[in-house]
Amino acid sequence: AQRVTQPEKLLSVFKGAPVELKCNYSYSGSPELFWYVQYSRQRLQLLLRHISRESIKGFTADLNKGETSFHLKKPFAQEEDSAMYYCALTYAGGTSYGKLTFGQGTILTVHP
Amino acid sequence: EAGVAQSPRYKIIEKRQSVAFWCNPISGHATLYWYQQILGQGPKLLIQFQNNGVVDDSQLPKDRFSAERLKGVDSTLKIQPAKLEDSAVYLCASSFYGSSYEQYFGPGTRLTVT
Repeated sequence: AQRVTQPEKLLSVFKGAPVELKCNYSYSGSPELFWYVQYSRQRLQLLLRHISRESIKGFTADLNKGETSFHLKKPFAQEEDSAMYYCALTYAGGTSYGKLTFGQGTILTVHP
Repeated sequence: EAGVAQSPRYKIIEKRQSVAFWCNPISGHATLYWYQQILGQGPKLLIQFQNNGVVDDSQLPKDRFSAERLKGVDSTLKIQPAKLEDSAVYLCASSFYGSSYEQYFGPGTRLTVT
């Protein structure tokens, strides 16, 4: 069964500092990994997905199949990045395609 | 475009009572999901619909939870009877068929069972 682990429940950094939110997964097949974000009083929304290899709001994430990781990184954190971040996994093919397995989430706080 | 709508936003009930949640997905989205999010945890999928058919309900406690999507649009999730451990936020999400990873979430219903 697939599993997603986010080892840090809380992460605090100062504005302008680099930030890395860790995500590790376990799945024997070919997973698709995503980062979802929930800002205060807003809905859960997709931030980025590994297949698009894009940078959103300055964030990037690289899928490392050898280490089964998908860490989210940003070189210079901004106060507006403060939010709850969830790493999520799904797998291609099968009748349950699209079924997301979420990690426990990491609350990022960026101090001024 | 209008987002996923859910009601009610908050509900407080006593254990052993029944409760129902409603979800209206984004127009044209064939796939609809119900998630349960317990405080301090990530969302957990309860049931996934493709149009009005169930694709996955492996994590739905079927002895007390039920869900339907009769016309392939709106959906309701029911709990009968509720237990204390059902206290959680219930999230509805929808997506286009074939683009299931880009899910759009509703605001959620916060259920408190006392």
